[in-house]
Amino acid sequence: AAGVIQSPRHLIKEKRETATLKCYPISRHDTVYWYQQGPGQDPQFLISFYEKMQSDKGSIPDRFSAQQFSDYHSELNMSSLELGDSALYFCASSFGQGRELFFGEGSRLTVL
Amino acid sequence: AQTVTQSQPEMSVQEAETVTLSCTYDTSESNYYLFWYKQPPSRQMILVIRQEAYKQQNATENRFSVNFQKAAKSFSLKISDSQLGDTAMYFCAFMSGETSGSRLTFGEGTQLTVNP
Repeated sequence: AAGVIQSPRHLIKEKRETATLKCYPISRHDTVYWYQQGPGQDPQFLISFYEKMQSDKGSIPDRFSAQQFSDYHSELNMSSLELGDSALYFCASSFGQGRELFFGEGSRLTVL
Repeated sequence: AQTVTQSQPEMSVQEAETVTLSCTYDTSESNYYLFWYKQPPSRQMILVIRQEAYKQQNATENRFSVNFQKAAKSFSLKISDSQLGDTAMYFCAFMSGETSGSRLTFGEGTQLTVNP
């Protein structure tokens, strides 16, 4: 079965530009999560969606927004990019409460 | 808010030996789930093992097992017969069982190196 698909895998942007990351969860999974992982750090939770509604919100900057669409794919929009936004961004999906998260391979964002 | 603490930033073990990674957590909830994920150099996040807090029996997956001490809020991972492919960053993680779509909160990670 196909796993969580993230695109693009690598992205290079200049400061103050905008970036959009896309995530396609595993079929029939009802929850999508976004995480940010800086170099040498643990993944930090940004936001999650359960059945297309925002279900939990973490340390997501106001410059970032996310949504889940009718086909269950999700997008993370990042504006006014800063150098500190350079990180690996993971999308994950799960089905059912308390079940394991399946992670995509991540999108590496570099802000110059 | 729940917190997860891994007090061992780095550990090493010889191939074929056993190693235990420590994890403690803090929560006021009674219904929750605990996980161990590994992140090899490829940076892919891979589930190692999962434990339901209401189950007293410790979870086991092949060479991986946990020692879940609910009263002590401790959740350690034991890796038996360590293999070179076990070299990775290991993250302990907590998930609330109170609501759907709850976040997974990670500890700081333990870098495990398996030496030949």
